[in-house]
Amino acid sequence: KQEVTQIPAALSVPEGENLVLNCSFTDSAIYNLQWFRQDPGKGLTSLLLIQSSQREQTSGRLNASLDKSSGRSTLYIAASQPGDSATYLCAAYRGSTLGRLYFGRGTQLTVWP
Amino acid sequence: GAGVSQSPSNKVTEKGKDVELRCDPISGHTALYWYRQSLGQGLEFLIYFQGNSAPDKSGLPSDRFSAERTGGSVSTLTIQRTQQEDSAVYLCASSFASGSSYEQFFGPGTRLTVL
Repeated sequence: KQEVTQIPAALSVPEGENLVLNCSFTDSAIYNLQWFRQDPGKGLTSLLLIQSSQREQTSGRLNASLDKSSGRSTLYIAASQPGDSATYLCAAYRGSTLGRLYFGRGTQLTVWP
Repeated sequence: GAGVSQSPSNKVTEKGKDVELRCDPISGHTALYWYRQSLGQGLEFLIYFQGNSAPDKSGLPSDRFSAERTGGSVSTLTIQRTQQEDSAVYLCASSFASGSSYEQFFGPGTRLTVL
């Protein structure tokens, strides 16, 4: 069974800081990894999908990396803003399970002005 | 274009009643997924559809839970004889096709409260 762990569980930082959110998974036989954000009372918004053949993906101030050999992914947020405050979830795809996602518990991020 | 939609957004029911939750995937998406997010828990997979068939039902927690998909589009998740532990946010996602190459896009969820 795929176990996905996210550290830290919560993070509170002042505006402007660069941040690193960590995600680790137990089964290195993952295919891809997807990062989401979830705002309170809302659904999930897809941020980045890293294919197994890629090592990183970038979108604006976000950069996500994937190291399958070590079982880790990181989400880097540059120059954080109060609007970045949300819960960030990582989810791993296993190749054998038809696209179902295995989710971590998330990192709750608060960026204060 | 329109995203994944779910209805109702909130549902309060009494223990023992049946409930139906609806998901409208993004047009053209053949794969559809149901997940559940309970208070203090992570998201857990329930069931996956490819077209109208469900190759993976392994996440359904009991036989009180069932789901169907018609016309390769709308899906309904039915919970019979609801229990308090069924209280959660039920999320639906769709993707262009099955498999790990395709991003899953999520709806806003249905918050179910069983009294």
